[in-house]
Amino acid sequence: AQSVTQLGSHVSVSEGALVLLRCNYSSSVPPYLFWYVQYPNQGLQLLLKYTTGATLVKGINGFEAEFKKSETSFHLTKPSAHMSDAAEYFCAVSVGTASKLTFGTGTRLQVTL
Amino acid sequence: KAGVTQTPRYLIKTRGQQVTLSCSPISGHRSVSWYQQTPGQGLQFLFEYFSETQRNKGNFPGRFSGRQFSNSRSEMNVSTLELGDSALYLCASSLELASNTQYFGPGTRLTVL
Repeated sequence: AQSVTQLGSHVSVSEGALVLLRCNYSSSVPPYLFWYVQYPNQGLQLLLKYTTGATLVKGINGFEAEFKKSETSFHLTKPSAHMSDAAEYFCAVSVGTASKLTFGTGTRLQVTL
Repeated sequence: KAGVTQTPRYLIKTRGQQVTLSCSPISGHRSVSWYQQTPGQGLQFLFEYFSETQRNKGNFPGRFSGRQFSNSRSEMNVSTLELGDSALYLCASSLELASNTQYFGPGTRLTVL
């Protein structure tokens, strides 16, 4: 069975600083990997996804993630944080022909002035 | 194109009652999945429907059930509500059963008193 580990339940950065949210996965078959963002009292919004091909994936709002098979990682980065990035971020994995997503526990990003 | 819609957005029920939640997928999407989000357990997969058939099921008791209609709209039902069923219930749609990219609705917040 597949699983996802997100290191750090809370991350705080200053506005303009680099954002790095960590995600490691476990899967016995090639995974599909996703990052979602959730703002208060809202559903999940897809930030980016890795299926096959290029390992550096660019998403919305300036976020990107790199798939590293050797490290089983899919960390999310953004060069310069903005106040509007404050939210909870979830890494998720699916495998094979199933759409079912297995989520990590989430990382709450705080952006300070 | 309109996103995934869920009704109602908020519900308050008492223990022992039953509840039905509704989800309308993105136009053209034929697969609908349901997830439960709680502070303690995080995001957990409930079930997935495609062509009016349940294709995948998570580890939830039989009190949780669902169905899908010919227009791809879906409902989920929880019978004999327990306090622990209080959660945000999220619906997600995808194009096909194995399309691997799910788009989420805003959720229904269920409170059980």
